[in-house]
Amino acid sequence: TQLLEQSPQFLSIQEGENLTVYCNSSSVFSSLQWYRQEPGEGPVLLVTVVTGGEVKKLKRLTFQFGDARKDSSLHITAAQPGDTGLYLCAGGSFIGNQFYFGTGTSLTVIP
Amino acid sequence: GAGVSQTPSNKVTEKGKYVELRCDPISGHTALYWYRQSLGQGPEFLIYFQGTGAADDSGLPNDRFFAVRPEGSVSTLKIQRTERGDSAVYLCASSLGPSGNTGELFFGEGSRLTVL
Repeated sequence: TQLLEQSPQFLSIQEGENLTVYCNSSSVFSSLQWYRQEPGEGPVLLVTVVTGGEVKKLKRLTFQFGDARKDSSLHITAAQPGDTGLYLCAGGSFIGNQFYFGTGTSLTVIP
Repeated sequence: GAGVSQTPSNKVTEKGKYVELRCDPISGHTALYWYRQSLGQGPEFLIYFQGTGAADDSGLPNDRFFAVRPEGSVSTLKIQRTERGDSAVYLCASSLGPSGNTGELFFGEGSRLTVL
């Protein structure tokens, strides 16, 4: 059972376009992380947001944690082929130290 | 090594057989996680260890699955009487430990299990 639903599931865009990936849940999380995974490898952390309403920017990537701590978004500006991969959100549990991953968004950026 | 190491990288077995998957976390990391991932999907939580004890095993799908971490370092995921539906990539991750759920998870490359 996965508590976090991501949309879209698949996304194929041209280089230079902008995109947004959404991560939604009916549960409240203590923190929200975003990871990127490439084929044959494990996920790699991009960012952690911990405060409701928090916005973090990493170069062309902008991450937002919803005010109610139930949802998050990832916006990529001027996508590049190197952005291709599986993007995963992960919510931190208030009880214990577990992280629950979203359903994933597979992004392909076409040169 | 410096990262999380998982062995074997690939395992092919027959339905009904027993398999063990090993995870060697980053030295000094007290928290260890097992996840299961199907192609193109997000990792599904299985079990979380803090030290030697299983702090949360609520994600284990049934009693055919069991995991241990006897010395608080290496962990083994054990699957009895394997079924074709167990085929997936099993990911292991470690982190420094309780940190208010802001700690980074460091993943291994996974063990791909195929049950024929």
